[in-house]
Amino acid sequence: AQTVTQSQPEMSVQEAETVTLSCTYDTSESNYYLFWYKQPPSRQMILVIRQEAYKQQNATENRFSVNFQKAAKSFSLKISDSQLGDTAMYFCAFMTAGNMLTFGGGTRLMVKP
Amino acid sequence: SQTIHQWPATLVQPVGSPLSLECTVEGTSNPNLYWYRQAAGRGLQLLFYSVGIGQISSEVPQNLSASRPQDRQFILSSKKLLLSDSGFYLCAWGGQGTFSYEQYFGPGTRLTVT
Repeated sequence: AQTVTQSQPEMSVQEAETVTLSCTYDTSESNYYLFWYKQPPSRQMILVIRQEAYKQQNATENRFSVNFQKAAKSFSLKISDSQLGDTAMYFCAFMTAGNMLTFGGGTRLMVKP
Repeated sequence: SQTIHQWPATLVQPVGSPLSLECTVEGTSNPNLYWYRQAAGRGLQLLFYSVGIGQISSEVPQNLSASRPQDRQFILSSKKLLLSDSGFYLCAWGGQGTFSYEQYFGPGTRLTVT
């Protein structure tokens, strides 16, 4: 069974600074996908960024980028130029064939003005 | 563009009462549909998924059930609610388009069982 671990329950960052959220996973599969989802106070889950395991290049989406280390089974999210609207719960998620998502426990990020 | 709706947004029900939560998707056909539950301050747990009308797979044994009477409609039900059924219920769709492995979530239903 796959597991996803987010070791930082809470983090804070000053507005305009950079923050990195950690995620590790455990799997015996070779083909899979990794995601970061954002859940603001409204509680709707919003897809932030995706990474295909077969791609060596790290994914980027505007201010969001990932550091994907396949051998270490690590998938961290970097948020640059943090904004107040980035305040939310962030969930790392893992998917193999069959399209079943396994979520980590989440990291609560607070962006301070 | 695709849109996913859930209702009701909030629900308070007594223990032992029935439950029916509805999810509908617009702008796509034959999507994969999913029901998740999120306990307070926790991650999401997959409850049911469906790859087509009448095709339901359960991930967690419990007193909940799901049905898919139409292509873009997914319903979560219970005959008798338990206190432990309280939580935030999210519907998601996926399986279409360039990134067919992605899932997109609805706004959710907050259920409180009293």
